[in-house]
Amino acid sequence: TQLLEQSPQFLSIQEGENLTVYCNSSSVFSSLQWYRQEPGEGPVLLVTVVTGGEVKKLKRLTFQFGDARKDSSLHITAAQPGDTGLYLCAGVESNDYKLSFGAGTTVTVRA
Amino acid sequence: SQTIHQWPATLVQPVGSPLSLECTVEGTSNPNLYWYRQAAGRGLQLLFYSVGIGQISSEVPQNLSASRPQDRQFILSSKKLLLSDSGFYLCAWSPGRLGNEQFFGPGTRLTVL
Repeated sequence: TQLLEQSPQFLSIQEGENLTVYCNSSSVFSSLQWYRQEPGEGPVLLVTVVTGGEVKKLKRLTFQFGDARKDSSLHITAAQPGDTGLYLCAGVESNDYKLSFGAGTTVTVRA
Repeated sequence: SQTIHQWPATLVQPVGSPLSLECTVEGTSNPNLYWYRQAAGRGLQLLFYSVGIGQISSEVPQNLSASRPQDRQFILSSKKLLLSDSGFYLCAWSPGRLGNEQFFGPGTRLTVL
């Protein structure tokens, strides 16, 4: 059983559309990270959120951390083919060195 | 700036052969180091992590072992590979503080035949 549940597992949209990816858990996290991974490469850190209710924006990407620090979402506005990839959320429980990863959401943006 | 290297990039090995994957980090001291395995298109499974030289924590009992002979070097090994050891292996580092984000290497694609 995954500590972090991501949904949907797959998402295919047309260029210009918006999309949202969800990351949910019954556990409380001291911080949560989002990564994007392209085939054959390592994941690249996009953002870290640490405060309940926090919203961070990175160009067309908006990240939100739930008030209770148990869930997060990633929203992409006007998606582009370059946004295609595997999006992974990962959480850190208090006093721990380890990240717990979700199973990932594969996003495909069609031109 | 910090960089992380992994080699080899790809590896094809017969069942029963030994394995050694190497990971090195530059530009930082006392990093926490991690080995993950990833199935195709899926999340990451933590295999080992280390908070210092000679200190290894194993997360999943299996056919693999890890060692940290130097501060910025992390090695993943096996004496005899199994078919199920095939996968994409990723090394990562984080600053030596609790709960920090991790930075990943380029990965090694291992195929066991």
